[in-house]
Parts: sequence; structure tokens; C-alpha cells
Amino acid sequence: TQLLEQSPQFLSIQEGENLTVYCNSSSVFSSLQWYRQEPGEGPVLLVTVVTGGEVKKLKRLTFQFGDARKDSSLHITAAQPGDTGLYLCAGATPNDYKLSFGAGTTVTVRA
Amino acid sequence: DAGVTQSPTHLIKTRGQQVTLRCSPKSGHDTVSWYQQALGQGPQFIFQYYEEEERQRGNFPDRFSGHQFPNYSSELNVNALLLGDSALYLCASSLVYRANTEAFFGQGTRLTVV
Repeated sequence: TQLLEQSPQFLSIQEGENLTVYCNSSSVFSSLQWYRQEPGEGPVLLVTVVTGGEVKKLKRLTFQFGDARKDSSLHITAAQPGDTGLYLCAGATPNDYKLSFGAGTTVTVRA
Repeated sequence: DAGVTQSPTHLIKTRGQQVTLRCSPKSGHDTVSWYQQALGQGPQFIFQYYEEEERQRGNFPDRFSGHQFPNYSSELNVNALLLGDSALYLCASSLVYRANTEAFFGQGTRLTVV
């Protein structure tokens, strides 16, 4: 059983469209991170959110941490083919050293 | 500044054999964590090393063991390999006080057990 549930599992959109990926849990996290992973590579850290209600923007990517620190979302505006990849959320619960990952959302942006 | 480097990148082993994977952390980092990522899944935590000691362990059998050296590099050893051990093994490095907020991953070692 995954501590973090990601949805949807797969997402295929046309270039220029918007998309949102969700990461949900019944547990409270002290921090939550989003990674992007391309085939055959390790995950690359995109952002870390630590405060409930926090919103961070990274160019066309907007990340939000839920008020209760149990969920997060990633929104991409005007998606480009370079945004294609596996998006992973990962959280750390209080007093825990490890990261718990969701199963990931595979995003494909068609040109 | 070199990031996290892992070796080898690919490996094929036979059931029952033993394997050693290696990781050099990002310059300045003192903490190394190992993760197993099966196909189509998110990474699963194996263990974390800090000051040459195992600081936390995930739900993996004793066949999985590790080591951290004084220069902070690390090894992951797996004994008595099973077909189910086939996966991408990822090493992540961080500073100890930021282990949960800023972990950087290597490119991984793809292990295939036949």
C-alpha cells in the first residue's frame, strides 16, 4: 500500500494544454517534494514545499501544498513536449528520515 | 561540481549470486540513501547511512546490506539474488539536516537477475 496516492496514473495531452497532477495521503507530512524522472535516469528534484497552504512557482509549473499538509498538486500551464516524463511526489513524515514516494504520473505531451 | 554518481550503470546477474553497487555522493553531502524502483513504480526506501552507520532501514530483508566509507561514498550489497530483485537501484545524497527536503539522485544502476 502506497503512503502517497498519485492521480492520474497516465496523462496524454496536446502541446499548449494545461494539466494537473494530484498527490494525496491520509498522513501528515513535514515536507513534500516533486521530482521528474526520464527513462533510464534518476529522479530530478523540482521543488520542496514545507508549509501548509504554500504555493511555489517554477516558470510554467505551480506547486501547492494542502493546508493540512496531507496533499499536494502540480499544475503545468501551456505544456511543452519537454515536459514529458514521470512525475513523482515524495513526502517525509515527522521524525522520519526516509522519503515515501507515490507510484508516479506518466505525462506525455504531444507536439 | 559532480553530482551523485553510481556504478555500474547496468548489470546482469544470475539467481543466487551476490552483487555490489556503488555510489559517490554530491560534493559536500554527508548522507546517502538507497532506493529500489521496480518497473512502473515509485522508488522504495531501502536504508540510509550517516557517519558510517545505518540510520534507518526500510522493509527489506537482511539480504540487503550496505556500508558507508569515511569519504561518504557508499555501497549496497545484495546476497542470494532473486528474480524479484530486478529493478533500478537509486542512490540519493543530501546533507544530514536536509535529508528529507533536498535529496539528489544519481542516474541509477539497472540490475537484471536471470
